Amino acid sequence: EDQVTQSPEALRLQEGESSSLNCSYTVSGLRGLFWYRQDPGKGPEFLFTLYSAGEEKEKERLKATLTKKESFLHITAPKPEDSATYLCAVQAGQPNNNDMRFGAGTRLTVKP
Amino acid sequence: DAGITQSPRHKVTETGTPVTLRCHQTENHRYMYWYRQDPGHGLRLIHYSYGVKDTDKGEVSDGYSVSRSKTEDFLLTLESATSSQTSVYFCAISGGVYNSPLHFGNGTRLTVT
Repeated sequence: EDQVTQSPEALRLQEGESSSLNCSYTVSGLRGLFWYRQDPGKGPEFLFTLYSAGEEKEKERLKATLTKKESFLHITAPKPEDSATYLCAVQAGQPNNNDMRFGAGTRLTVKP
Repeated sequence: DAGITQSPRHKVTETGTPVTLRCHQTENHRYMYWYRQDPGHGLRLIHYSYGVKDTDKGEVSDGYSVSRSKTEDFLLTLESATSSQTSVYFCAISGGVYNSPLHFGNGTRLTVT
């Protein structure tokens, strides 16, 4: 069965303290790995898609990387406004399989 | 923001009553999805639709039904609500199934007492 595990569950950083969030997955036939940001009371907001091992994507202070077993979301010099829950999800299997399997998320708090 | 509106945003209902949640999109996307989100769990797929009147079950479909009579509207019905269906429900849309990201509404918080 496809599984997506995120760690840590929660992370508290000081403003400017860089760190990484982990998303490990076991799926057959990865088609894409997705990162989302979710603010309290809101729906997840799409950040990145990664398709193959070695690929990297960047957006402001965020950089996502992908290996054959895991993905990392690196946060460089975070600011308080980066506080949110970060979700990763995978699409796998045949193209007619619409299931996007989500991890439980990492709740990030950045203190000023 | 993608044009997705969920209604109601909050609802409290009693065990055994029927409940319908609505998702409306203005993007003319083919695919629509209903997920539930519970503490300690990731988002889990309930049902999805790949066109008008075309729907299929997801991972946690028991106790739920859906309907899609127009491209823009996707309804989720709990025929007889139970306390285990207390959750936050999210509607999502995508333009395609292959490697397409999902775009989410802001959710409906449902409490079954």
